[in-house]
Amino acid sequence: DAKTTQPTSMDCAEGRAANLPCNHSTISGNEYVYWYRQIHSQGPQYIIHGLKNNETNEMASLIITEDRKSSTLILPHATLRDTAVYYCIVRNLNTDKLIFGTGTRLQVFP
Amino acid sequence: DTEVTQTPKHLVMGMTNKKSLKCEQHMGHRAMYWYKQKAKKPPELMFVYSYEKLSINESVPSRFSPECPNSSLLNLHLHALQPEDSALYLCASSLSGYGGNTIYFGEGSWLTVV
Repeated sequence: DAKTTQPTSMDCAEGRAANLPCNHSTISGNEYVYWYRQIHSQGPQYIIHGLKNNETNEMASLIITEDRKSSTLILPHATLRDTAVYYCIVRNLNTDKLIFGTGTRLQVFP
Repeated sequence: DTEVTQTPKHLVMGMTNKKSLKCEQHMGHRAMYWYKQKAKKPPELMFVYSYEKLSINESVPSRFSPECPNSSLLNLHLHALQPEDSALYLCASSLSGYGGNTIYFGEGSWLTVV
């Protein structure tokens, strides 16, 4: 599976959009981009995933560049409850595995 | 409903004890996973079961023994553990092993080995 690179930490003001970047320059055509988050002491929570096109759901939007080498997770109106570690993961279509990297620690402040 | 239930939430065991962690899902998922997470580290994959057969073992020591008695249940049997095995153990499931199927996680079992 392709490796991902994320900033170690980010801050965001409450009510503003949080834009979390992820680089996956070695991604191949049969690999999805997944985003999970983990709030302290809880299990990882699925947020969104995509293959080529941008995706949106009730939690977030996922923007994937045309060359698929990077993506951005957007939380449109961050709240204090969005403070968590956010993991960007590249997952092969044909695999059972989901391998976590080190993630981005997002701190939302009042 | 995307619920994966893990019991117990907390477990303290001695190094000579035998204990088990349990995981249950009723979503009709046929792939189930065990992950281990140490403090301030990302989850690490341990085992994957696909259609009740062990499909992936990430070189986990034999003191951890997984079992999948049926498609809804996944156990992790623990024996002769070491203090460094203290961690959060996460169970997860997905519809199948296909990479486009979302994997859903439980809240985890906190294990302390004394």
